[in-house]
Amino acid sequence: AQSVTQLDSQVPVFEEAPVELRCNYSSSVSVYLFWYVQYPNQGLQLLLKYLSGSTLVESINGFEAEFNKSQTSFHLRKPSVHISDTAEYFCAVTTRGAQKLVFGQGTRLTINP
Amino acid sequence: DGGITQSPKYLFRKEGQNVTLSCEQNLNHDAMYWYRQDPGQGLRLIYYSQIVNDFQKGDIAEGYSVSREKKESFPLTVTSAQKNPTAFYLCASGTGSDYGYTFGSGTRLTVV
Repeated sequence: AQSVTQLDSQVPVFEEAPVELRCNYSSSVSVYLFWYVQYPNQGLQLLLKYLSGSTLVESINGFEAEFNKSQTSFHLRKPSVHISDTAEYFCAVTTRGAQKLVFGQGTRLTINP
Repeated sequence: DGGITQSPKYLFRKEGQNVTLSCEQNLNHDAMYWYRQDPGQGLRLIYYSQIVNDFQKGDIAEGYSVSREKKESFPLTVTSAQKNPTAFYLCASGTGSDYGYTFGSGTRLTVV
């Protein structure tokens, strides 16, 4: 069975500062990894995903995540955050043929001006 | 536009009443899911369905029921047996977990 650990429940940063949201997973087989973003009182939106190929994946709004198999991690990074990035971020894992995603507990990103 | 629609956005019910939350998708997805979200507890899977007329319990199915009579629809009933029903409920659909899910915008249920 897979599991996901998001190491920080809350991350406060200043606007224009870099940020890293940490995600570690556990699985005995090859995995697919996802980051979702949730703005207040809304559903989750897919931010980016790793299925295969290049271990560095990027989103259209400047976030990137790197799949590190040896460290079983999929940390999310952005070099300079904006107030609009304030949201909760969820990491998720699954395997080929699995029936469902397994989600982490979420990390609340707060941007201070 | 294709998408997944949850209704209503806000729902208030008296304790002891059953209530049904609607989830409809026009993405032609086979699989549909219901999650419950509480502050600080992430997403917890209630029920999921991979195909019409079939569904499986998730991690917290007690006090809930579902049906899947049509591919497009996966309603969730919160019964009076659910001890703490006040929460934010999210519906999702997908073609297979390999590709992730599409989520609805959620229903916030408050039981008074």
